[in-house]
Amino acid sequence: NAGVTQTPKFQVLKTGQSMTLQCAQDMNHEYMSWYRQDPGMGLRLIHYSVGAGITDQGEVPNGYNVSRSTTEDFPLRLLSAAPSQTSVYFCASGRNNSPLHFGNGTRLTVT
Amino acid sequence: AQRVTQPEKLLSVFKGAPVELKCNYSYSGSPELFWYVQYSRQRLQLLLRHISRESIKGFTADLNKGETSFHLKKPFAQEEDSAMYYCALASGTYKYIFGTGTRLKVLA
Repeated sequence: NAGVTQTPKFQVLKTGQSMTLQCAQDMNHEYMSWYRQDPGMGLRLIHYSVGAGITDQGEVPNGYNVSRSTTEDFPLRLLSAAPSQTSVYFCASGRNNSPLHFGNGTRLTVT
Repeated sequence: AQRVTQPEKLLSVFKGAPVELKCNYSYSGSPELFWYVQYSRQRLQLLLRHISRESIKGFTADLNKGETSFHLKKPFAQEEDSAMYYCALASGTYKYIFGTGTRLKVLA
């Protein structure tokens, strides 16, 4: 049982480049979400999904895109990377009102 | 508005001293409350949830609806408790609200 798997663990991008952060879960959770973690700001919700084909914006969605074509996968796309997107990104999944399960995080640096 | 407040960004205590990490929430209904712990450069892990009323790694947390608080306590801190702690609230349908976190440093 792998839980929530995120790839890559580390990534360095140049300003303007695009990339996709991958997230997969094998617990059949309907809810999946992406957070970014910045010093002093805690966790901020970027996008979330409550099922395949359903996505919605969180607190800080600008510059990010998501899709949910299957229950298992919830990729996060950076359309045109900016230095302000330098952060640690966490994917999480869960069931309604139950604890979230987090991935190991992706450390992204944009130069 | 629904909110989770962790007033301390950093809490330093000596080994063996009691620890209390504060968490206050604002929510009109019956909340589901959690504490998560994040050790250095690792994932967030669930530490406690209020409905289970159990003690994990010596930590306990009691929901006080009158004071809208869910403080995390441990009678004797250990060095391995040094980590980032997040209080979180689950409200309604798939809505999770996290506090900004408290970094606990346990000094030798």
